[in-house]
Amino acid sequence: AQSVTQPDIHITVSEGASLELRCNYSYGATPYLFWYVQSPGQGLQLLLKYFSGDTLVQGIKGFEAEFKRSQSSFNLRKPSVHWSDAAEYFCAVAPKGFQKLVFGTGTRLLVSP
Amino acid sequence: SAVISQKPSRDICQRGTSLTIQCQVDSQVTMMFWYRQQPGQSLTLIATANQGSEATYESGFVIDKFPISRPNLTFSTLTVSNMSPEDSSIYLCSVEDGKKQAGDGYTFGSGTRLTVV
Repeated sequence: AQSVTQPDIHITVSEGASLELRCNYSYGATPYLFWYVQSPGQGLQLLLKYFSGDTLVQGIKGFEAEFKRSQSSFNLRKPSVHWSDAAEYFCAVAPKGFQKLVFGTGTRLLVSP
Repeated sequence: SAVISQKPSRDICQRGTSLTIQCQVDSQVTMMFWYRQQPGQSLTLIATANQGSEATYESGFVIDKFPISRPNLTFSTLTVSNMSPEDSSIYLCSVEDGKKQAGDGYTFGSGTRLTVV
């Protein structure tokens, strides 16, 4: 079945430490891939997206993501987390040939002092 | 990217009533979508609003419960009908306004936080 999986419901990271949030998808062909962030009481903000080409994608706020076709993954990374990064992070895919976005279940990031 | 104005931002409604949510975009867009985000959950697509024709609903959502209008390329409404407390959620409008290729520019409204009492 077609799906988007974020295996980690919650992650706690110390401020200044590195971060990796996992995202796996199950689609016949490589879809368009996105990461969004939702801060408490706020709307969705696009961090980055991948359509084709270079598999390492740079986004806003110091985030990057790497597309790995062999693993059907699109993991989000940040070298040094700031307290303001505490939020809910959603991986989303747009299956090619369709234009709707399908969201993963989300990962809540907590940043400890 | 497109700018979306979604109204109301929040509402508290009595069960059995209906609420209509408006989504206004500052430019013409091809695709408009309505999502629901239940408390503590991810976003689930309700339907794709099609200009000039009936909306395309996802599995588990029906037109009688969530009627959608899209009279032109910049405006859409979602009605939550005969509400129950289970309908308490954030409802978000989204548009796809990519000029170069599909998926280039998904934008989301700020959402409507609905509480049904």
